[in-house]
Amino acid sequence: DGGITQSPKYLFRKEGQNVTLSCEQNLNHDAMYWYRQDPGQGLRLIYYSQIVNDFQKGDIAEGYSVSREKKESFPLTVTSAQKNPTAFYLCASSTLREKLFFGSGTQLSVL
Amino acid sequence: LAKTTQPISMDSYEGQEVNITCSHNNIATNDYITWYQQFPSQGPRFIIQGYKTKVTNEVASLFIPADRKSSTLSLPRVSLSDTAVYYCLGMNRDDKIIFGKGTRLHILP
Repeated sequence: DGGITQSPKYLFRKEGQNVTLSCEQNLNHDAMYWYRQDPGQGLRLIYYSQIVNDFQKGDIAEGYSVSREKKESFPLTVTSAQKNPTAFYLCASSTLREKLFFGSGTQLSVL
Repeated sequence: LAKTTQPISMDSYEGQEVNITCSHNNIATNDYITWYQQFPSQGPRFIIQGYKTKVTNEVASLFIPADRKSSTLSLPRVSLSDTAVYYCLGMNRDDKIIFGKGTRLHILP
């Protein structure tokens, strides 16, 4: 079954802690994206990557970091510098300029 | 940056046709216009994509005028399950895919 998988579904972060959200795809897509969604709001772009070992900042990259060591994987780390991390995080992949396929999301909350 | 503008919300009734218009004044020449649907606590899913004139699939139709500065998503005979947020996408030249705030469509019985 081809698709994009995010884990965990729910994640809790303590003060000062870094947490990593996983995103894996087996669609052989070149491009991968991370978005943040706050309640009742649209999606905001955090980081995106068009090719392995390369990524670009989106509109709200501060307090986040990513890596793209493999084509299939694009993990997102929410660092302690992100002071308001509570949100719904969505990962997506696509062939360049084609439609996006989204994962089921990770809800991150602060303890 | 390509920017899209949509109505914040719309209400309609079951069985009606719903049209949602999106403005995208600075869309790039070779970009496609794409619409997504999102239900609560789920990722958006692709509905339809077009370049110009009209595109139709089993879910919706997309109308794009010659100047491509706007597009209209048409949902025929909506049902309660069409209640969702609908996004029109703007893609700028470096493939940074930006979502607008979307349109919250509420279907009433």
